[in-house]
Amino acid sequence: GENVEQHPSTLSVQEGDSAVIKCTYSDSASNYFPWYKQELGKRPQLIIDIRSNVGEKKDQRIAVTLNKTAKHFSLHITETQPEDSAVYFCAASGNNDMRFGAGTRLTVKP
Amino acid sequence: SAVISQKPSRDICQRGTSLTIQCQVDSQVTMMFWYRQQPGQSLTLIATANQGSEATYESGFVIDKFPISRPNLTFSTLTVSNMSPEDSSIYLCSVDRGGPETQYFGPGTRLLVL
Repeated sequence: GENVEQHPSTLSVQEGDSAVIKCTYSDSASNYFPWYKQELGKRPQLIIDIRSNVGEKKDQRIAVTLNKTAKHFSLHITETQPEDSAVYFCAASGNNDMRFGAGTRLTVKP
Repeated sequence: SAVISQKPSRDICQRGTSLTIQCQVDSQVTMMFWYRQQPGQSLTLIATANQGSEATYESGFVIDKFPISRPNLTFSTLTVSNMSPEDSSIYLCSVDRGGPETQYFGPGTRLLVL
């Protein structure tokens, strides 16, 4: 089955700096890669996703890149703000078999 | 996205009892999923629930412990049976909407077993 690894487990950046979270996956059949943001005590919220036929996708300050050959994908947040502080989960899915990474706790210091 | 509600939002239960969690969606969805999130941990898929068929359970989860119902395209229940303190966790349902494989989560049910 699919195995998703996520790094780093914690990340602290200064407000305005960029943050990068990286994930690798094992199943070459995976073709959908969402990212979720989970604030304390709340549900995971889908923030961006990418499918295997695309190498990069951007939505304002958030971007995701995918390298299918290397089986890794990354989340990039630019101009970070304190409200970006949360736990971020990557996931990989094929045939609705979605597996999540362990999560990255991002702290943006004002 | 879909509007998803769960009941109860939280509960404190005694060891050996069972709790049924409800998940309601505002529109018809093909697939519903049940996840467990233990404190400070990631999301682990328990089972996939399709309407009109038996739920498909992931390794480590069995129907006797986590029976699931899916009576229609907008509703599902997950029962946590014969609970022990190790079952203390957040249980979340999710649904597929917005494109193939895209999942949206309910608000979760926070369960504490004493």
